[in-house]
Amino acid sequence: DAKTTQPTSMDCAEGRAANLPCNHSTISGNEYVYWYRQIHSQGPQYIIHGLKNNETNEMASLIITEDRKSSTLILPHATLRDTAVYYCIVRVTQTQTGSARQLTFGSGTQLTVLP
Amino acid sequence: DSGVTQTPKHLITATGQRVTLRCSPRSGDLSVYWYQQSLDQGLQFLIQYYNGEERAKGNILERFSAQQFPDLHSELNLSSLELGDSALYFCASSPTGTRGTDTQYFGPGTRLTVL
Repeated sequence: DAKTTQPTSMDCAEGRAANLPCNHSTISGNEYVYWYRQIHSQGPQYIIHGLKNNETNEMASLIITEDRKSSTLILPHATLRDTAVYYCIVRVTQTQTGSARQLTFGSGTQLTVLP
Repeated sequence: DSGVTQTPKHLITATGQRVTLRCSPRSGDLSVYWYQQSLDQGLQFLIQYYNGEERAKGNILERFSAQQFPDLHSELNLSSLELGDSALYFCASSPTGTRGTDTQYFGPGTRLTVL
């Protein structure tokens, strides 16, 4: 799986959009970009994933650049409960049933939402 | 709530002992993954099972073993425990299906303390 680079930490004011960047310059064509977050010592929580098109769900938006070498996770209206470590993971997904692979977690970005 | 359950939530034991951690995947998920998170190592993949069969191994010690039962729940067995085995242990499950749909969902974890 391709390596990712994320800032160590970021702050965001409550109610504002939080934009978390991720570089994955060695991503290959069959690798997806996944975002997870971990609120202190809880299990990692899936947020969103995408291949090349921008994606949006009830939690966040994922913007992937056209060359796919970087992406941005956007939390549109950050709340104090969004304070967590955010992990950007690049991963090949299963090509046949049962071939799914593990996630490789880096250090992530510690997002602190300030009141 | 991810739908993945883990028991127990906390476990305190002594060096040299053996413990069993249990995981119930989301309904219908055939793949189960175990991860270890210690303070100095971050989240690390241990082992994966798919429909009862071992599919992938990560940095799992020989003192550790796992299995997945016919009802798809999984157990992680840790023996000859050492102080350094103190960590959070997470289980995740993912659905079968076509490419791009094998998102992993994590349980709340078991905190193991070895004294």
